[in-house]
Amino acid sequence: GESVGLHLPTLSVQEGDNSIINCAYSNSASDYFIWYKQESGKGPQFIIDIRSNMDKRQGQRVTVLLNKTVKHLSLQIAATQPGDSAVYFCAESQGGATNKLIFGTGTLLAVQP
Amino acid sequence: NAGVTQTPKFRVLKTGQSMTLLCAQDMNHEYMYWYRQDPGMGLRLIHYSVGEGTTAKGEVPDGYNVSRLKKQNFLLGLESAAPSQTSVYFCASSYESGAGSNTEAFFGQGTRLTVV
Repeated sequence: GESVGLHLPTLSVQEGDNSIINCAYSNSASDYFIWYKQESGKGPQFIIDIRSNMDKRQGQRVTVLLNKTVKHLSLQIAATQPGDSAVYFCAESQGGATNKLIFGTGTLLAVQP
Repeated sequence: NAGVTQTPKFRVLKTGQSMTLLCAQDMNHEYMYWYRQDPGMGLRLIHYSVGEGTTAKGEVPDGYNVSRLKKQNFLLGLESAAPSQTSVYFCASSYESGAGSNTEAFFGQGTRLTVV
C-alpha cells in the first residue's frame, strides 16, 4: 500500500550511528511538544515529550532538545538500530491540550545495516 | 491488551456511499479523537470527544459526523463519501488533555479508505 513516507524528507544513517531529526514548529505560544514514531502500516506511537520550561529531556536512547529562541525541536537517537526505521514527526500545542495538537509532516529515518 | 482498535482496516467506497468507522478503546480513556493523514501533510483532527455523550469539531470536520454513545467507542461516519475523503484515518484516545501527566495519546492501526 501507499506509504505515508512518500515525498517526505529522508535521513539515512548507518546502524550504530547516532541520528538527529529536526523539527521547526510554528507557534511561539506553544508550550508542549511531542515526538511520535510511525512505522509503515501502523499508527503513531508516542516517543517522548517536553514542556517549554525545559531545554532537554532524555529517555531510553532518545533525547529531545528544545530551542525556543528559534522555535526548533530535535530528536536524537543514540546507537540507531534497524528497528528505528520509521517516520518521525513532532507535534506542538498550547497547554498540552491533545485536541489542539499541530502535527508536522514528518521525516523518514532509514537505517542501513 | 488491545489498546485502540479500529475497524475496518481497509475499505473502498463509491462516491456518494456512506459508511461508519468504528473505534474501540479498552483503557477507560475519557478523550477520543479522529484524525486523517494524507501524504505530505501532518495528522489533522476531524472530531473529538471529551467524554461519553459529547463530541466537538476539530480542524477538518466537514463531511463527517461522529457519535460517542458509549465511553469505549467513538464512531466516525461519512454520509456521502467524496474522492477528497480518500485518506488514512486514525483514531486515538487519551486519559486526559491539558497540563496533566496522563495526556499521552494512544493511536489505533488506521483505516485506509479509498473513495472512487
